[in-house]
Amino acid sequence: GAGVSQSPSNKVTEKGKDVELRCDPISGHTALYWYRQSLGQGLEFLIYFQGNSAPDKSGLPSDRFSAERTGGSVSTLTIQRTQQEDSAVYLCASSLGTSGGQETQYFGPGTRLLVL
Amino acid sequence: AQTVTQSQPEMSVQEAETVTLSCTYDTSENNYYLFWYKQPPSRQMILVIRQEAYKQQNATENRFSVNFQKAAKSFSLKISDSQLGDTAMYFCAFIISGAGSYQLTFGKGTKLSVIP
Repeated sequence: GAGVSQSPSNKVTEKGKDVELRCDPISGHTALYWYRQSLGQGLEFLIYFQGNSAPDKSGLPSDRFSAERTGGSVSTLTIQRTQQEDSAVYLCASSLGTSGGQETQYFGPGTRLLVL
Repeated sequence: AQTVTQSQPEMSVQEAETVTLSCTYDTSENNYYLFWYKQPPSRQMILVIRQEAYKQQNATENRFSVNFQKAAKSFSLKISDSQLGDTAMYFCAFIISGAGSYQLTFGKGTKLSVIP
């Protein structure tokens, strides 16, 4: 079946603008994750969704970041009033959502965001 | 808090040779999982291999194998018969076992170049 898909692949925006990044998880996966990969850094956890439960937003770096997941499937990560330090690759992953930490997370190709 | 350290920012290996990538981690937990992910220039994070901490036997996956030393908190990746397609960033990652665990902790990666 299809893997995790993300759009757009690349996004260039001006400082102060809002952006929306989309993630479509693997069909049947109830767990969805967002990570951020900044230049020269590893991946940083942002947010986690499990089914219809309230998401864990503990990794979001500021209140300019928000995410939602509609119908337990597609997720949108929104960054308001973008800043240059938001420039990074934003990766989405999904997993079955039945076994917690022992599950393998499958990643999408990411969205590269550049804030000018 | 868990940390993952990859001490080799960059490595190179001749095609057909063997290379070992290092990873150490720090945790007070006893049950956890370790992963190696590969990220080629396409940005797609691909699972290479995973290891359950409760298993003494080292995981292998074709040309990829690990040397898991739980007491030393070391988890190195050995790539045998290196191929040009192995050129990529390699990330070591850690997650605690359990239903409520979902945050992968990543190292900063090792950039591997396979030289023809």
